[in-house]
Amino acid sequence: DQQVKQNSPSLSVQEGRISILNCDYTNSMFDYFLWYKKYPAEGPTFLISISSIKDKNEDGRFTVFLNKSAKHLSLHIVPSQPGDSAVYFCAASNPGANNLFFGTGTRLTVIP
Amino acid sequence: DAGITQSPRHKVTETGTPVTLRCHQTENHRYMYWYRQDPGHGLRLIHYSYGVKDTDKGEVSDGYSVSRSKTEDFLLTLESATSSQTSVYFCAIGGQHTGELFFGEGSRLTVL
Repeated sequence: DQQVKQNSPSLSVQEGRISILNCDYTNSMFDYFLWYKKYPAEGPTFLISISSIKDKNEDGRFTVFLNKSAKHLSLHIVPSQPGDSAVYFCAASNPGANNLFFGTGTRLTVIP
Repeated sequence: DAGITQSPRHKVTETGTPVTLRCHQTENHRYMYWYRQDPGHGLRLIHYSYGVKDTDKGEVSDGYSVSRSKTEDFLLTLESATSSQTSVYFCAIGGQHTGELFFGEGSRLTVL
């Protein structure tokens, strides 16, 4: 059973606009959340993370928002750039776990 | 960039043959992981290791075995490959729980 879900397999956005990628989870024990970015023929690379004690974390153009009551997190990219075109995975972990649970990914295309 | 190399990067094999994928790290990291990536499933953990000769199963471990005889090397073996094991396999190293994993570039395996 998929504990982390990304319901939008793809998203297209104009360059310069905001990209919003969404992620939902079912396990209330998750306390750490991450976003990874993946280009074709490469491994995923870590992008940004957030602990459950926070509701927002920013790093340059990337901001992650966490809504624990809704079990929902989102990644905002502002402004979007063509180089941001990639597959984005959200992931989650719970205390004491030695595993990350990944979503199925959202393919972002930023149109110049 | 974390020093992780996977070999082979591409392999085509036939059903019933044994296959071994190798992951080599130069970071002296204690934890190493094997994931597989499939459309519609995201990344799923196969096995992980928390030290030399210390390994444990992940979500999708059936049909796979692993070994870690040295800190730097983590081997994934398919004793008798099946078509359902056609996938892209990623090795990763990194911290437990906070999950900022560093991934290798992947090994694409096709089982005919």
